[in-house]
Order: sequence, then C-alpha cells, then structure tokens
Amino acid sequence: DQQVKQNSPSLSVQEGRISILNCDYTNSMFDYFLWYKKYPAEGPTFLISISSIKDKNEDGRFTVFLNKSAKHLSLHIVPSQPGDSAVYFCAVGGTYKYIFGTGTRLKVLA
Amino acid sequence: DAGVIQSPRHEVTEMGQEVTLRCKPISGHNSLFWYRQTMMRGLELLIYFNNNVPIDDSGMPEDRFSAKMPNASFSTLKIQPSEPRDSAVYFCASSLLAATNTGELFFGEGSRLTVL
Repeated sequence: DQQVKQNSPSLSVQEGRISILNCDYTNSMFDYFLWYKKYPAEGPTFLISISSIKDKNEDGRFTVFLNKSAKHLSLHIVPSQPGDSAVYFCAVGGTYKYIFGTGTRLKVLA
Repeated sequence: DAGVIQSPRHEVTEMGQEVTLRCKPISGHNSLFWYRQTMMRGLELLIYFNNNVPIDDSGMPEDRFSAKMPNASFSTLKIQPSEPRDSAVYFCASSLLAATNTGELFFGEGSRLTVL
C-alpha cells in the first residue's frame, strides 16, 4: 500500500524550460513535505520543504506547492539546467517518520 | 564537517551468508534511519531510532533483518541469512528531529549489497 506516489518515473525537459515534478499522498495527517535530489552513487540530499500550514515555498529556482485538499505536492524548477538531471524523491511525514515516493528521474536536455 | 558515514560501500556475498552494514551518524543528531532503495519500491523506511532507542521497526522485512544502535555514534543493520532478493542499496540517514524543525534527513552514500 503505497502512501506516497510519484506516478511519473521519468521526465525530460529542455534546458531553460520549466520542470514540474508531482507527488500524491494518502494520509492527511502529515505535517511536513520535502523534496530530495539524488545523483548516481550518492545519497539523497535535501532540496526544499514545506509545512502543512503553507501552500507555497520558494528557494531560488525551486518552488514547492502543496494542495492539501487534493493531497498533492509538486516541485517546479525554472529555469531547468543540465545539472538538475537527477532522481527526485518527495517525502512526507511528521516529527519522526518520513515516507518517500519511488522517485522521478529528471533529464534536462542541453 | 563529516557527514553520515556508511560502510562497506559495496558488498557482494553468497546466499545464506551474514551481512553487516555499518553507519556513523552526524555528531549531535538524535535520530537515525535505515532505508532500502530498490527499483520497484523506491526508498523504503526499514527502521528508525530516536536517542538510540528503536521507535518503529515496522518496515523491517522479516526476522532475518535486525538493527542495533548501541550508542549515539554507531548503528548496524544485519541480515542473516541473506537472500538474493535482499540485493539493494541500503542508506543510513541521521537528523536532529524536534517538534519545531522540518525533519531534514542527512543521508550517507549508501551500501550497495549484491547477494548471489
């Protein structure tokens, strides 16, 4: 029973365009929502987060949107750069427990 | 600053053998997590510790898996006996979790396990 779903296993985007990665969750009790980026042969690294009391958080080229009624989380990267090519995981949870999605592989084409 | 340190980075073993993966969390962090990454299931939480105490081990696949955290600077994940389906990348992560922070996890580089 997958509580966190990333339905797109892969995404290709042209350099300079917007990348939109999506994540759906089932449990409305989650407090925090995070995005991680993972390069090959490395561990995931934290990218950006949002708490359940907000609907948008922005950090440079990265913006996370939270739609609580739809139980939907998205990450926007604009403009996309070749260095953004990686696997992106969403993670949702509370104080002690975080559940990750299966990941979306983003490829930014030069 | 040293991050989360995992060893070994790669392990190849034969079915039935015991495997021990090790993790040194970031100094000062009070929570430690073991995750397993597979193509089919992504990153699965196996177990997490808070202040060296196992809080939730509901993700541990079966009795062949066990994890310990004898002190704040060391944890092990053991598989005995190992099976080919255990082949995956195992990540350890640590964090300073409190009621007021976002719970960002810091991951090690992972231990890639191959069971033949």
